[in-house]
Amino acid sequence: DIQMTQSPSSLSASVGDRVTITCRASQTISRFLNWYQQKPGKAPRLLIYATSNLQTGVASRFSGSGSGTEFTLVITSLQAEDFATYFCQQTYTTPRITFGQGTRLEIK
Amino acid sequence: EVQLVESGGGLAQPGGSLRLACAASGFTFSSYEMNWVRQAPGKGLEWLSYISTSGDTIYYADSVRGRLTISRDNAKRSLYLQMNSLRAEDTAVYYCARMRGYDEEISMGGEFDYWGQGTLVTVSA
Repeated sequence: DIQMTQSPSSLSASVGDRVTITCRASQTISRFLNWYQQKPGKAPRLLIYATSNLQTGVASRFSGSGSGTEFTLVITSLQAEDFATYFCQQTYTTPRITFGQGTRLEIK
Repeated sequence: EVQLVESGGGLAQPGGSLRLACAASGFTFSSYEMNWVRQAPGKGLEWLSYISTSGDTIYYADSVRGRLTISRDNAKRSLYLQMNSLRAEDTAVYYCARMRGYDEEISMGGEFDYWGQGTLVTVSA
């Protein structure tokens, strides 16, 4: 199975900050990488698909990039509603997909 | 509006069984592949199972193969997960998720664009 490792595991930031979350795959996954946001007690929400495509309705301060084994999610100008846990997901081996362990973004 | 609503969770004894259901509305259910994903308390997301649009193609995670059975009824717009031989480590919130963009010819791609609210399964004596 392809292992997905996110860093950092947790992160403290302030409203208005720029934040970068990294996801590394144990082998190449081309650009088959998605990002999800999850708030406590809620289901995950799709933010970005296929590395860099913004899901409909998602704010443009979210962006994604990368290819091969290293990918990043960037949130520019953090808003209060962005404090949540973020997961990456590889779909190179669909349907046997795997998720990263998550990055918890907390208010500083 | 797309909606996925899970039901069937609850308390089960070790070794027991539960059947989860996911009722879909607001889209053509028979046109989408579906998945089950779970999340143990305080933990990350774990993909469990996939089913094709017709139900002909099914996959399971190694960790649950032989104990879980996924199925769907397109006429009833419903997805199911039969869970047998339950263990304490199966305690989790179980989500159904709609898959979009999967290229079955190359077995790559796709994303989970809609999720249900989740149903909690607790396995304890």
